[in-house]
Amino acid sequence: DGGITQSPKYLFRKEGQNVTLSCEQNLNHDAMYWYRQDPGQGLRLIYYSQIVNDFQKGDIAEGYSVSREKKESFPLTVTSAQKNPTAFYLCASRDYSGANVLTFGAGSRLTVL
Amino acid sequence: QQQVKQSPQSLIVQKGGISIINCAYENTAFDYFPWYQQFPGKGPALLIAIRPDVSEKKEGRFTISFNKSAKQFSLHIMDSQPGDSATYFCAARSMVGAGAGSYQLTFGKGTKLSVIP
Repeated sequence: DGGITQSPKYLFRKEGQNVTLSCEQNLNHDAMYWYRQDPGQGLRLIYYSQIVNDFQKGDIAEGYSVSREKKESFPLTVTSAQKNPTAFYLCASRDYSGANVLTFGAGSRLTVL
Repeated sequence: QQQVKQSPQSLIVQKGGISIINCAYENTAFDYFPWYQQFPGKGPALLIAIRPDVSEKKEGRFTISFNKSAKQFSLHIMDSQPGDSATYFCAARSMVGAGAGSYQLTFGKGTKLSVIP
């Protein structure tokens, strides 16, 4: 089955530690996205990538970094500079044909202790 | 101008009733309006979508009504069921650059729907 795999599903980290969330897709989609979801805040765009080796900042990129070395993979690093990293993180992808809509992964919940 | 305002924040409906969620926008460059459904602990999934040249789209019990002049659109869930209990997000699409890859979705803040038996 084609889809987006996010791992880990739950992650606990101490303050000051960097953590990397994995996102892999086998949909052959060109564009990939990272969103952060907080209660009552909706989905806020962190970073997106339209093509391999290229990515752009979204609305809340500070304290985060990404890479896009392969079409299938778009990992997100939450750095120690992110002041409030506890959240639900969603990865999504999109192809450039048809309805052009987003397909989401199941999410990763990061809790910083 | 990039905002999409969604209301209500939460909604409780009796089984068999009609659930109505409203969204409003300012940016006239938005050209596609999808709705996503999210169950707890899962990622959002596309539910239904509409283009601005259509006033209504219906898929089963789900209907989008679109008012271009008022810059508003709404989701109606007919005969609401407990299995419809989820968070619903409206969204609007806009171009942020050149080329087919330059679309970006702006999301509303979500509505948590609870359908009680």
